[in-house]
Amino acid sequence: KQEVTQIPAALSVPEGENLVLNCSFTDSAIYNLQWFRQDPGKGLTSLLLIQSSQREQTSGRLNASLDKSSGRSTLYIAASQPGDSATYLCAAISNDYKLSFGAGTTVTVRA
Amino acid sequence: DAGITQSPRHKVTETGTPVTLRCHQTENHRYMYWYRQDPGHGLRLIHYSYGVKDTDKGEVSDGYSVSRSKTEDFLLTLESATSSQTSVYFCAISETGPTTGELFFGEGSRLTVL
Repeated sequence: KQEVTQIPAALSVPEGENLVLNCSFTDSAIYNLQWFRQDPGKGLTSLLLIQSSQREQTSGRLNASLDKSSGRSTLYIAASQPGDSATYLCAAISNDYKLSFGAGTTVTVRA
Repeated sequence: DAGITQSPRHKVTETGTPVTLRCHQTENHRYMYWYRQDPGHGLRLIHYSYGVKDTDKGEVSDGYSVSRSKTEDFLLTLESATSSQTSVYFCAISETGPTTGELFFGEGSRLTVL
């Protein structure tokens, strides 16, 4: 069974600092990995989708990398802003077509 | 934003009563999913649909049933609600399926079973 882990569970940084969020998964045979953002009391917003054949995806200040062999994905957010404060979740699709979510990293960007 | 509407957004009910949650999409996506989100458990798949009248179970399907009679609507029914089903329920859609498709989520339905 795929296990997805996100460490740390919470992170607090000053505005302007670059954010590095980690996601690890136990089964490297994944189809894709997706990063989401969730604001309190809201649904999940898709940030980036990385297919298994890709090594990274970029969107604006966001960059996500994927290393299947080591079972890791990293989400980088450049020049963080208070508006980036949210919980960030990663999810991996395994060969059994099941989507496994990590518990998330809650980010606070201090002004 | 993907056109996904969940209703009701909030509901309080009593143990033993039936409850139906509705997910409506305007994207004409083939795949639809119901998840529940609980502290300590993260998001878990309840049921999913890969087309009209085509549904399958997820990892926590006991006590839930679903129906999809139209592309745009996916209903989740709790036949007899229990306190363990108190949760936030999310509907999600994808265009091309779980192996390639990006998932888009609704705003959630918060259900409290007393």
